[in-house]
Amino acid sequence: KNQVEQSPQSLIILEGKNCTLQCNYTVSPFSNLRWYKQDTGRGPVSLTIMTFSENTKSNGRYTATLDADTKQSSLHITASQLSDSASYICVVTKGTNAGKSTFGDGTTLTVKP
Amino acid sequence: GAVVSQHPSWVICKSGTSVKIECRSLDFQATTMFWYRQFPKQSLMLMATSNEGSKATYEQGVEKDKFLINHASLTLSTLTVTSAHPEDSSFYICSALHYRGGNTEAFFGQGTRLTVV
Repeated sequence: KNQVEQSPQSLIILEGKNCTLQCNYTVSPFSNLRWYKQDTGRGPVSLTIMTFSENTKSNGRYTATLDADTKQSSLHITASQLSDSASYICVVTKGTNAGKSTFGDGTTLTVKP
Repeated sequence: GAVVSQHPSWVICKSGTSVKIECRSLDFQATTMFWYRQFPKQSLMLMATSNEGSKATYEQGVEKDKFLINHASLTLSTLTVTSAHPEDSSFYICSALHYRGGNTEAFFGQGTRLTVV
């Protein structure tokens, strides 16, 4: 079982609508949690990074939340645009080894006009 | 800042030949870089951890003699796929660790699409 589980696996929404992606993790000890956006055929691009003491972090229309007690994070996208169509990956880094990260399988978001 | 550049973006090679992929941190020094491969519609799979000035650490199941990693400087790591076969065709991505603001953040290259024919 993956230590970082994302849901839903895929999502289709209409342009202009909001959506929320989920990430549950069991990685311990926890150092930070990051959300990445990966366009098809491109490398992942960082959206947000949060440590255990942070509850929310925004980056434009992207807002990430973190509940370190329940080990859950969400990524909320407001007023979606066609360019938001991509795979969104949740990555959790262990505290004892800053370089070793666990990747979720990603959520594929499709925004339709 | 914090840009990681991969080269080439795509490459087609004949079966049996070797291919070298470069990963450079352009505006920061990275003692640690990572190499991943990604199959279609799947997440990134860590292949190895590249440490500047020392041997790479390979994940279980990754052949170190087939995927040669060299991290000779603080801004460059290379992955050489030796004696490539069609099953090595994949999307290869590197990342470099950048320590800033008390956080460890990984910045990814744009990826290299390898096709072995």
